[in-house]
Amino acid sequence: EDKVVQSPLSLVVHEGDTVTLNCSYEVTNFRSLLWYKQEKKAPTFLFMLTSSGIEKKSGRLSSILDKKELSSILNITATQTGDSAIYLCAVYAGGTSYGKLTFGQGTILTVHP
Amino acid sequence: DTGVSQDPRHKITKRGQNVTFRCDPISEHNRLYWYRQTLGQGPEFLTYFQNEAQLEKSRLLSDRFSAERPKGSFSTLEIQRTEQGDSAMYLCASSLRRGGPTGGTDTQYFGPGTRLTVL
Repeated sequence: EDKVVQSPLSLVVHEGDTVTLNCSYEVTNFRSLLWYKQEKKAPTFLFMLTSSGIEKKSGRLSSILDKKELSSILNITATQTGDSAIYLCAVYAGGTSYGKLTFGQGTILTVHP
Repeated sequence: DTGVSQDPRHKITKRGQNVTFRCDPISEHNRLYWYRQTLGQGPEFLTYFQNEAQLEKSRLLSDRFSAERPKGSFSTLEIQRTEQGDSAMYLCASSLRRGGPTGGTDTQYFGPGTRLTVL
């Protein structure tokens, strides 16, 4: 059974702090890893990572995949209150898992002013 | 708004009733997915379609759950004889799969979800 684990489960920081969220996975025939941000509604897409060691960046957010360690990190620098959300990691795998995303349980990030 | 839309956004029903949810994907997307999300958990895959073909349905939670996408556009998810344990957020996502059915990945874009409460 495919498995995705995120840590920490929750994190409380102050504006301006830098945070690192972790995602590890155990899947058969890994294809790609995706990060989503979920506020009070639907998950919104942040990044897709398929190649190890390549960093994806968007403003203050960045992410990198380590296929050797079967993990990924999501960094947020200079956090703002608007970054408060649940951050979800999900993995595409092949074989019998083909077509579906397996999600981790999410990291709840709270940014205080 | 050209994103994924879902209807209704909230549904309250009594145990034993049937409910049906609708999802309208992004117009050019050929793949449509249904997920369920409970409090404190990430979305859990239920089923998906490529055009009108349902390619995976073994993850539907029981035979009370069924999904259709009759013309390859919108989809419906039906839950018969609802139980209190069915209370959850039901999310729909869509993606554009180019080329063959195997290999590669595509980005799934999610709708706002339908929150179901079974009393």
